[in-house]
Amino acid sequence: DQQVKQNSPSLSVQEGRISILNCDYTNSMFDYFLWYKKYPAEGPTFLISISSIKDKNEDGRFTVFLNKSAKHLSLHIVPSQPGDSAVYFCAASDVGGSGGSNYKLTFGKGTLLTVNP
Amino acid sequence: ETGVTQSPTHLIKTRGQQVTLRCSSQSGHNTVSWYQQALGQGPQFIFQYYREEENGRGNFPPRFSGLQFPNYSSELNVNALELDDSALYLCASSSPDRAGEQYFGPGTRLTVT
Repeated sequence: DQQVKQNSPSLSVQEGRISILNCDYTNSMFDYFLWYKKYPAEGPTFLISISSIKDKNEDGRFTVFLNKSAKHLSLHIVPSQPGDSAVYFCAASDVGGSGGSNYKLTFGKGTLLTVNP
Repeated sequence: ETGVTQSPTHLIKTRGQQVTLRCSSQSGHNTVSWYQQALGQGPQFIFQYYREEENGRGNFPPRFSGLQFPNYSSELNVNALELDDSALYLCASSSPDRAGEQYFGPGTRLTVT
């Protein structure tokens, strides 16, 4: 049972245009969402996050939108650059455990973004 | 500020053997989580360590075990290796004030033959 779904395995956009990456989740207990970027042979790099009390968070060219009623979030990259080409993972946190930093992350399968010059 | 480091980078083991993977957390981070990433999949949560205690575990059998040391570094041990254990093993650290954000190391690529 996949609780975080990225239904587009790949996305191709032109340099300068907007990239929109989508993510759906099924677990209503998720309350914190993150996007990571991953290059080959490297670990995932944290990009941006959003708490469930917000519906939008911006950081430079990256904006994440959260629609709780639809259990959907999206990452917008504007303008897209060739260096943005990577696999993007959506992740959601599941607060639990006995205390402390116990934010287990549940990941989607990723979307390969290719930005063409 | 030193990021998350992992060793070794690559490892080849035979089915039935045991393996230990190591992780040093980012400066100021006291929590370490381990993930397994199979080819074409997203990372899957194995377990998390906080204050040297296991603080949450994913759907992995007991032959996956770990340790956290007083300096917050961590080890992942896998006994009785199976072919399906071949994957990228990722370590991530986080700090108490930004607990939801985890910072990943480059991973250890384990191949079981």
